[in-house]
Amino acid sequence: AQTVTQSQPEMSVQEAETVTLSCTYDTSESDYYLFWYKQPPSRQMILVIRQEAYKQQNATENRFSVNFQKAAKSFSLKISDSQLGDAAMYFCAYSRPTGNQFYFGTGTSLTVIP
Amino acid sequence: KAGVTQTPRYLIKTRGQQVTLSCSPISGHRSVSWYQQTPGQGLQFLFEYFSETQRNKGNFPGRFSGRQFSNSRSEMNVSTLELGDSALYLCASSLVGMGNYGYTFGSGTRLTVV
Repeated sequence: AQTVTQSQPEMSVQEAETVTLSCTYDTSESDYYLFWYKQPPSRQMILVIRQEAYKQQNATENRFSVNFQKAAKSFSLKISDSQLGDAAMYFCAYSRPTGNQFYFGTGTSLTVIP
Repeated sequence: KAGVTQTPRYLIKTRGQQVTLSCSPISGHRSVSWYQQTPGQGLQFLFEYFSETQRNKGNFPGRFSGRQFSNSRSEMNVSTLELGDSALYLCASSLVGMGNYGYTFGSGTRLTVV
């Protein structure tokens, strides 16, 4: 079974600074997808960024980028120029290409300090 | 374009009762998944429906059931409620229900069992 581990229950960052959230996963498959979702107090899970395992290039979405290390099974999220609106729970998730189920990590609560 | 709509947002039920939660996916999306989110267990997959058929089911007791209608709207039902069923129930929809596309989540229904 696939497992996703987020070892940082809480993180904090100063506004305008950079923070990196860690995620590791365990799988025996070679093709899969990885995601970072953000869950603000509104409770809705919002897709932040997506990475296809067969692509070596790290995904980037504006201030959000990932460091995908396939051999190490590591998928960290870097948030640059942190903003107050970035404060939320961040979940790392794994999915098979043909699968319809996410395997989520336990989440990292990010606080942004003004 | 309307998002994923879940109703009700909050619900309080008594142990032993049953409850039905509703989810309206994004127009055109045919796949609907349900997740249970608790502080202790995190996000756990309940089941996924595609074109009115349950394609995948998580490791939950038979008290948890669901269905999908021809308009893709989905309901999940929990019978004989237990205190441990208190959770945030999230619904997510996807165009075809493939993991690589990611899912769009609703804001969830907060169920409290007393």
